[in-house]
Amino acid sequence: GAGVSQSPRYKVAKRGQDVALRCDPISGHVSLFWYQQALGQGPEFLTYFQNEAQLDKSGLPSDRFFAERPEGSVSTLKIQRTQQEDSAVYLCASSPPNQPQHFGDGTRLSIL
Amino acid sequence: AQKVTQAQTEISVVEKEDVTLDCVYETRDTTYYLFWYKQPPSGELVFLIRRNSFDEQNEISGRYSWNFQKSTSSFNFTITASQVVDSAVYFCALSEGMIYNQGGKLIFGQGTELSVKP
Repeated sequence: GAGVSQSPRYKVAKRGQDVALRCDPISGHVSLFWYQQALGQGPEFLTYFQNEAQLDKSGLPSDRFFAERPEGSVSTLKIQRTQQEDSAVYLCASSPPNQPQHFGDGTRLSIL
Repeated sequence: AQKVTQAQTEISVVEKEDVTLDCVYETRDTTYYLFWYKQPPSGELVFLIRRNSFDEQNEISGRYSWNFQKSTSSFNFTITASQVVDSAVYFCALSEGMIYNQGGKLIFGQGTELSVKP
């Protein structure tokens, strides 16, 4: 499709497991963002890529969170040793430079 | 510090009523952008509008209108003649600085859940 695609749509994991969330941005979009949205809250910034370079990771809550975009297209957000407070919707957005961000449907992560 | 406040957590109206969603922001930058996004139950954030800090002209798009006032640091959103399909969570957001250099990360408010009843 033409929009931002995220997979899986839903992910359930046991506490302590590692998870990987995928984002397929709109083709040609240079900028890619990850946000975390807790239930009933607004999204909060996690990290930003310009092509393959991770220019801002100030929002990553701990060193258990890691993101990459090795070829400047698809991005993966990895969470190691998951904890219950990691339960949230993870949103990916992409945009051309200086243009509004287009969001995917998100991945709903539940940690049991 | 930058912050966006949406004081209205939930609003319920009857179809065809007009409704205004409030947004107040804080920033030390003189160059910034303000946004409104709609989040229907499906979860995807849908872009509605972007305004830059140098353009205080109000904007109208169909039943939607936006009122930007720097003097009160507000960027309010009005839906005229609301419809059931307008039911969603609406987020106001702020992006600071030079967009290209800083990526334009968004700082969101808590959101306002709008329920339009038939």
